[in-house]
Amino acid sequence: KQEVTQIPAALSVPEGENLVLNCSFTDSAIYNLQWFRQDPGKGLTSLLLIQSSQREQTSGRLNASLDKSSGRSTLYIAASQPGDSATYLCAVRGTGGFKTIFGAGTRLFVKA
Amino acid sequence: KAGVTQTPRYLIKTRGQQVTLSCSPISGHRSVSWYQQTPGQGLQFLFEYFSETQRNKGNFPGRFSGRQFSNSRSEMNVSTLELGDSALYLCASTLQESGRTEAFFGQGTRLTVV
Repeated sequence: KQEVTQIPAALSVPEGENLVLNCSFTDSAIYNLQWFRQDPGKGLTSLLLIQSSQREQTSGRLNASLDKSSGRSTLYIAASQPGDSATYLCAVRGTGGFKTIFGAGTRLFVKA
Repeated sequence: KAGVTQTPRYLIKTRGQQVTLSCSPISGHRSVSWYQQTPGQGLQFLFEYFSETQRNKGNFPGRFSGRQFSNSRSEMNVSTLELGDSALYLCASTLQESGRTEAFFGQGTRLTVV
């Protein structure tokens, strides 16, 4: 049974800092991994999608890496801004079925 | 291109009632998934539909059901509502092309059971 863990659960950083959010999963038989952002009370916004055959994806100040063998993914945010404050979720889609399992998220607060 | 549309956005129901939530996926997307999000349990998978067929189901009681229509629009129904069903219900529309599966979410329906 796939389990997805995100560390840390919460993070507070000053504006301008570079930061790394971690996501680990127990079953390496994944189809893809997707990072999302969620603002309070809102839906999820897709940030980056990494297919199982890929090692990383980049979009603007965001970079996500995937290491299937170790069951880990990281989301790197460069030069953080107050507007980056949100909850970041990683989601793993398995190959054995079509379930997508989410981590509990990392709540990020960027101080101006 | 319009995003994923969920209706209604907010709903208040009484224990014992039933409720139907609607999700219209992005045009061309044939897969729709439903999730329940609560502060205590996080995001939990309910079920996924593809071309009108349910192809996976999470660990929820039979009170939770869904369906998908020929135009890919989906509905989920919860019968005999309980206080614990209060949650944000999210729908995801998935594009599946060239081996790439990316999910796009709607804004959710906030259900409050009193």
